[in-house]
Amino acid sequence: EAGVAQSPRYKIIEKRQSVAFWCNPISGHATLYWYQQILGQGPKLLIQFQNNGVVDDSQLPKDRFSAERLKGVDSTLKIQPAKLEDSAVYLCASSLGGQGNIQYFGAGTRLSVL
Amino acid sequence: GNSVTQMEGPVTLSEEAFLTINCTYTATGYPSLFWYVQYPGEGLQLLLKATKADDKGSNKGFEATYRKETTSFHLEKGSVQVSDSAVYFCALRGKAAGNKLTFGGGTRVLVKP
Repeated sequence: EAGVAQSPRYKIIEKRQSVAFWCNPISGHATLYWYQQILGQGPKLLIQFQNNGVVDDSQLPKDRFSAERLKGVDSTLKIQPAKLEDSAVYLCASSLGGQGNIQYFGAGTRLSVL
Repeated sequence: GNSVTQMEGPVTLSEEAFLTINCTYTATGYPSLFWYVQYPGEGLQLLLKATKADDKGSNKGFEATYRKETTSFHLEKGSVQVSDSAVYFCALRGKAAGNKLTFGGGTRVLVKP
């Protein structure tokens, strides 16, 4: 079974530029999550989708971050404009459903904002 | 709100040594508890879990027991190998929080031959 796929693996941009990350969840997984993992810290949930609807985006900085999950499968996370403090690893995870289901993580995209 | 506190690393051990990583939590009600492991260059993988008090999760020689009275979920392994070198994250999932995971800061473990 294929795992959660993310691209790119690495991205370096300058502040005020925009960037987008892509995630393809495990086939059949209805729930998709985006986490931000700052160096030396644990992952923090940014947004959770159930199919193509948003379940929780309370920690998403909506003035600069946006995410979508068209057709309830792939998802993109965008940052525009990027700030220095956005440097982090962005992890995508998926699960079969909501409460009680195990989350499976992708390898992440490491973003460096210069 | 929910929070997880785990011991800071790095923890450096020799092969075959005993490993303990402390984890305590704050949550309302009775959350489910998890340990995830992140090997270099890879995503987080579920190592073990426990869903109620006194449950013991185990996998690959690792164990952790859900202790409600001390709000703890310490990870242990009796004899570590070089291949156990990784970052370990303790996490909880609250009953009323959908499937949202709250993670600790992670503990880097380095096992030397």
